[in-house]
Amino acid sequence: KQEVTQIPAALSVPEGENLVLNCSFTDSAIYNLQWFRQDPGKGLTSLLLIQSSQREQTSGRLNASLDKSSGRSTLYIAASQPGDSATYLCAVSTGANSKLTFGKGITLSVRP
Amino acid sequence: NAGVTQTPKFQVLKTGQSMTLQCAQDMNHNSMYWYRQDPGMGLRLIYYSASEGTTDKGEVPNGYNVSRLNKREFSLRLESAAPSQTSVYFCASSLAFFSGRTRYEQYFGPGTRLTVT
Repeated sequence: KQEVTQIPAALSVPEGENLVLNCSFTDSAIYNLQWFRQDPGKGLTSLLLIQSSQREQTSGRLNASLDKSSGRSTLYIAASQPGDSATYLCAVSTGANSKLTFGKGITLSVRP
Repeated sequence: NAGVTQTPKFQVLKTGQSMTLQCAQDMNHNSMYWYRQDPGMGLRLIYYSASEGTTDKGEVPNGYNVSRLNKREFSLRLESAAPSQTSVYFCASSLAFFSGRTRYEQYFGPGTRLTVT
């Protein structure tokens, strides 16, 4: 059974810092990996999706990398801002039907 | 383009009551999903529909039923609500084909906050 782990559960950084959020998964036979953002009381917003054949994806200040063989992904946030404060979730799919297994998320607080 | 919509936004039920959560998407997605989110447990898949006319169980299907009414709509029914079903329920959709490319990103609705007393 696929398990997805995100450590630490919470992170607080000063504004302007570059930061890395980690995600690990136990079964390397994934189809794709998706990073989401969730604001309090809201639904999930898709940030980046990496296919199993890809090494990284970029969107603005966000860069996600994937190392399938070691079962790891990282989400890099450049020049963090208070508006980046949210919970970031990592999820992996093991098939084309996109069924996702989620980590429990990392709650990020960016201090002004 | 509303994306994924869910109704109702909030609901309080008494133990044993039934209700149906509604979900609709306007992105021409083939697959739809129901998740529940609980503190300390994360998001868990209840049921999914890979395509119109098919449904299948996820990780936590007990106590729930689903109907894929058409390509746009996927409903979740609680036949006899229990306090353990107090949760936030999210509907999501994915899998579309644009210009010869398959898009797998999963898009979520705003959620339904359900309390069972």
